[in-house]
Amino acid sequence: GENVEQHPSTLSVQEGDSAVIKCTYSDSASNYFPWYKQELGKRPQLIIDIRSNVGEKKDQRIAVTLNKTAKHFSLHITETQPEDSAVYFCAAPYNNNDMRFGAGTRLTVKP
Amino acid sequence: DAGVIQSPRHEVTEMGQEVTLRCKPISGHNSLFWYRQTMMRGLELLIYFNNNVPIDDSGMPEDRFSAKMPNASFSTLKIQPSEPRDSAVYFCASNRGYNSPLHFGNGTRLTVT
Repeated sequence: GENVEQHPSTLSVQEGDSAVIKCTYSDSASNYFPWYKQELGKRPQLIIDIRSNVGEKKDQRIAVTLNKTAKHFSLHITETQPEDSAVYFCAAPYNNNDMRFGAGTRLTVKP
Repeated sequence: DAGVIQSPRHEVTEMGQEVTLRCKPISGHNSLFWYRQTMMRGLELLIYFNNNVPIDDSGMPEDRFSAKMPNASFSTLKIQPSEPRDSAVYFCASNRGYNSPLHFGNGTRLTVT
């Protein structure tokens, strides 16, 4: 099946610094890559996604980059704030619509 | 739109009992997913349906787990008999199909004692 590897598992940054989380996938047919944010005790919520016809997408302080040749994609958060603290998950589809998730990255932003 | 609706929010049961989790997907979404989340194993896909038909149930742990989707607006995940190792948060999610965002319900926190 699809194997989605996510690194790092934990990340601690100072408020205002940038945070980068990386994921790799195995199914070369995958062409949709979402990122989810999950706060403690809540459901995962989509924060940004990218399709394989573009290499980068930005939404305010959040950006995602995609390298289809290398089969990896990354989440970039700039000017981090304490409310960015959460667990972030990447995902990639396997075999059409079978969405598989990475293991998650626990981001802590220190004020 | 009310989003994906799951019930119950919390379930505490004794081992050996039957547990039924329920999900109502977003209207118009034709794919429905059941995930299990634990600290050790993260978000695991158990099964997903497309147009009410189970497409991939390879993630279902064992025969004690079963899932049904009798119509486009309702799905159940059943565990019979339940065991302590089934304790987890179970999420239901839905989307419009390939290349579209998944929308998660609030989850059911299951505790089996």
